[in-house]
Amino acid sequence: QKEVEQNSGPLSVPEGAIASLNCTYSDRGSQSFFWYRQYSGKSPELIMSIYSNGDKEDGRFTAQLNKASQYVSLLIRDSQPSDSATYLCAVKGEYGNKLVFGAGTILRVKS
Amino acid sequence: DGGITQSPKYLFRKEGQNVTLSCEQNLNHDAMYWYRQDPGQGLRLIYYSQIVNDFQKGDIAEGYSVSREKKESFPLTVTSAQKNPTAFYLCASSILSANYGYTFGSGTRLTVV
Repeated sequence: QKEVEQNSGPLSVPEGAIASLNCTYSDRGSQSFFWYRQYSGKSPELIMSIYSNGDKEDGRFTAQLNKASQYVSLLIRDSQPSDSATYLCAVKGEYGNKLVFGAGTILRVKS
Repeated sequence: DGGITQSPKYLFRKEGQNVTLSCEQNLNHDAMYWYRQDPGQGLRLIYYSQIVNDFQKGDIAEGYSVSREKKESFPLTVTSAQKNPTAFYLCASSILSANYGYTFGSGTRLTVV
């Protein structure tokens, strides 16, 4: 079992819709969770972090964490074509400082 | 402005040649990391360092070497022992805190010719 799992996609949504990206993790002691956006040929960019159960909102982005279910998600409201990218979920364990990355979900927003 | 600088952006390596990828940061971060990304795949950890003059192997260290002589610098050498080096190489840095993500450089695309 992979430590951090994401559906590879592509996830296709129409412009203006809500895009929902999901991630599960295997280490029950994981403490912090991050979402990165990576455009084709570019490096990953941190867009959201979440540490406690519940929702965290930042503009059009909402991160949701459920530690009991070992599940973290990213919602993108009013999706725009410029949101088309690969979204990487990353998790830090209970010990150490290393981030473990999922393989990423490709999002395509169609205008 | 603070950030991480990777150079060169593109690098071509001949068979049997060693090449060194540069990574410099002025964020005063303690930890630095090297990742490899192949097309359509996630990030795989090559080496990481949390303190000067100390570094640890990641998941795919064979065929690679690093040094950490200065806090700001963490160069990666791709040796001739790495049989399939063509990939996108990403350097990242971080403070040593659970609630802190990584900051990435812009990457180096290495191609074997």
